[in-house]
Amino acid sequence: QVQLVDSGGGVVQPGGSLRLSCAASEFTFSSYGMHWVRQAPGKGLEWVAFIRYDGSNKYYVDSVKGRFTISRDNSKNTLYLHMNSLRPEDTAVYFCAKDQRVVEPAGYFDYWGQGTLVTVSS
Amino acid sequence: EIVLTQSPATLSLSPGERATLSCRASQSVSSYLAWYQEKPGQAPRLLIYDASNRATGIPARFSGSGSGTDFTLTISSLEPEDFAVYYCQQRSNWPPYTFGQGTKLEIK
Repeated sequence: QVQLVDSGGGVVQPGGSLRLSCAASEFTFSSYGMHWVRQAPGKGLEWVAFIRYDGSNKYYVDSVKGRFTISRDNSKNTLYLHMNSLRPEDTAVYFCAKDQRVVEPAGYFDYWGQGTLVTVSS
Repeated sequence: EIVLTQSPATLSLSPGERATLSCRASQSVSSYLAWYQEKPGQAPRLLIYDASNRATGIPARFSGSGSGTDFTLTISSLEPEDFAVYYCQQRSNWPPYTFGQGTKLEIK
C-alpha cells in the first residue's frame, strides 16, 4: 500500500524558513511526479508545486514563486518543500501528493500524505 | 487561471437519498476534471478522474459526468460514511492546477 509521510511543520515567525519532507514507500518513487497541496485553516485546497519524476522541471503557484522550492531525492524516496520568506497567509496544512500517472503527469493526486501544519505567526 | 465554482455550498440530505453536486469551470476544461472527498482530520481521497472514471477502490454509487464547463458528481444512495466535503479539481490548463471551493454534504 502506497505510503506518504509528511513531516517538518511547525511554528515560524514571518520572514522565516522551514523545510518540509515527505517520505514515500511501497511504490517506485523515482517514476512519478509529486505535488505539494495546502489547506489553510477552515479553507479549501490549493495546489502549491509540482516536480517531475526526475526533478527536471518544477512548477509553482504564483503566490509562492521565488520563495518556495520543491525538490526530491530519489535515492532516499523523499520529497521536499523548502519555504523561505514565510508570510502569515502561508499558514496551512501542507500535503504531499503522488501524481496518478507514471512519468508524464496526469495532474490528478491519487495518494496523499497525512499533512503537516505550518503556522506563520509572531 | 481557471476558476471552478461548486454548488451548493452545503447540501443537507439523509442516508439513502441521492446527492447531486455541481462544478462549473470559468472556461472549458474538456474532460480533465477530478472529484475528491475529504473528511475531518484526513487527507483528501481521489474519487473520480477525467470527469467520469472512478478511481481504484471507489464504490459504484459514486459517478461523475459532464464535459466542457459543467460537471456533476452523483452519489446514488448515501451511506453514513459519505457525509464529507467534496472538491472538484481541473488539470486542463496548468500551472496552476485549481480546485473548487468545496461542497459540504451534511446529514439532514
